[in-house]
Amino acid sequence: EVQLVESGGGLVKPGGSLRLSCAASGFTFSNYAMNWVRQAPQKGLEWVSYISSSGSHIYYADSVKGRFTISRDSAKSSMILQMNSLRVEDTAVYYCARGRSPYQLLPPFDSWGQGTPVTVSS
Amino acid sequence: DIQMTQSPSSLSASVGDRVTITCRASHDISNYLAWYQQRPGDVPKLLIYAASALHSGVPSRFSGSGSGTDFTLTISSLQPEDVAVYYCQKYNNAPLTFGGGTRVEIK
Repeated sequence: EVQLVESGGGLVKPGGSLRLSCAASGFTFSNYAMNWVRQAPQKGLEWVSYISSSGSHIYYADSVKGRFTISRDSAKSSMILQMNSLRVEDTAVYYCARGRSPYQLLPPFDSWGQGTPVTVSS
Repeated sequence: DIQMTQSPSSLSASVGDRVTITCRASHDISNYLAWYQQRPGDVPKLLIYAASALHSGVPSRFSGSGSGTDFTLTISSLQPEDVAVYYCQKYNNAPLTFGGGTRVEIK
């Protein structure tokens, strides 16, 4: 069974940093592209960042470019989102999501974690 | 960047009704379109990919159609468990933009 478990969320002041982790199990992590998606309170889904199965292709939403960094560690079957220079508008639940097809460059998301909440407030 | 516009933003229908949700892309995305369902308090779930392919385990009352810029998600016979927000998403290239969502309620 595919499992994705996010951790690392919390309360942080504007300008601060957080490091989110997504621990994957139940599949061969190194074969799948991964993503971060966020959802602000009572709002819709916003794609944040993508990393290909090999880590060679990385994309960011304009809203986080230059502040967030995505990475993956296939040995640990985990994905990281390093978030710096956080803003109030980054407040959201952050989900990690797996790409549906192995090796496909930009697949839709077939498995989601339960999310970790991030609150940016002074 | 390509914008994804869903309509309506919300709808109310009776159990057994046929429900149609529309998603429009601001530029041609071929068939790189997915639909997700997010029930209240739950995480999103993939329903449809490649505009019309049903994801594993999704009931057959859900169907998708369209290509290019205009897409449709249809629920052939609305059930109480279909109360949710539905999102479309483009994935032909980055950014992997979601539509604004359509809230479906039971009348």
